[in-house]
Amino acid sequence: KAGVTQTPRYLIKTRGQQVTLSCSPISGHRSVSWYQQTPGQGLQFLFEYFSETQRNKGNFPGRFSGRQFSNSRSEMNVSTLELGDSALYLCASSLATGWSTEAFFGQGTRLTVV
Amino acid sequence: DQQVKQNSPSLSVQEGRISILNCDYTNSMFDYFLWYKKYPAEGPTFLISISSIKDKNEDGRFTVFLNKSAKHLSLHIVPSQPGDSAVYFCAASAPDQGAQKLVFGQGTRLTINP
Repeated sequence: KAGVTQTPRYLIKTRGQQVTLSCSPISGHRSVSWYQQTPGQGLQFLFEYFSETQRNKGNFPGRFSGRQFSNSRSEMNVSTLELGDSALYLCASSLATGWSTEAFFGQGTRLTVV
Repeated sequence: DQQVKQNSPSLSVQEGRISILNCDYTNSMFDYFLWYKKYPAEGPTFLISISSIKDKNEDGRFTVFLNKSAKHLSLHIVPSQPGDSAVYFCAASAPDQGAQKLVFGQGTRLTINP
C-alpha cells in the first residue's frame, strides 16, 4: 500500500511569489491535514480537509489556503510569500472514521523563500 | 501558549537500556495522545497512541503511559536500539477541536549509544 506522497520535495521561491504544494493521501483515506514545521515553532497545524470540505483550520493568515479534490488529493497554496514561510510543509492522511485516528505523514516539501 | 510540552530537548541512552521520553500537557480537553518518530528529511512516523480511557498501551518494545491527573505521558522503549536514534514528538487531540487537529510538542532528540 503506497504511503502519503508529497510533491515537490524541494522548492525555492522568491518573496512575493505564490506556491502550490500537492499531497496524495493513502488510498481510502478521506482526511488530509497540513502542518508547517519550523525550528522555532515546531509542528503547527494549518488545516484539515475531509470529503472536499475544510473541516478545521489553524491560526495562520489567509495567505495560506488549500483544497481537496474528489479523489482526496489535496493542494496547499501560499500567496505573497514571505521569508518566514520557509519551512517543511507536511501532509498527513487518516481514515478519520472514528473519534480519534492516527495520522500518517508524507516526507514533506521543503520550501525556501529567498 | 504551548499546550503540549516536551521539556527535554535531548536524551542520550546506552544501547540495550530503557529510554524514557516525557511529555506534559495543559489542555484537559485532550483525550487522545500519539507518539511520532522523525528522522531528518523525512516525515514523522506514527509509533503508538493512547486514549484517555486507558493508562497504558503497549506495542512491542514501545509502551506509552498516561497519567491524566498529572497531565503527563511518557514513552518507554525497551530495549533501546541504535535505530531508535531520532527525534520523538508527542501529540494530542481534543474532540472539541477536531480529532485530526494534532497539537505537537517541540520534540526530544534521542541518541542511542552503542
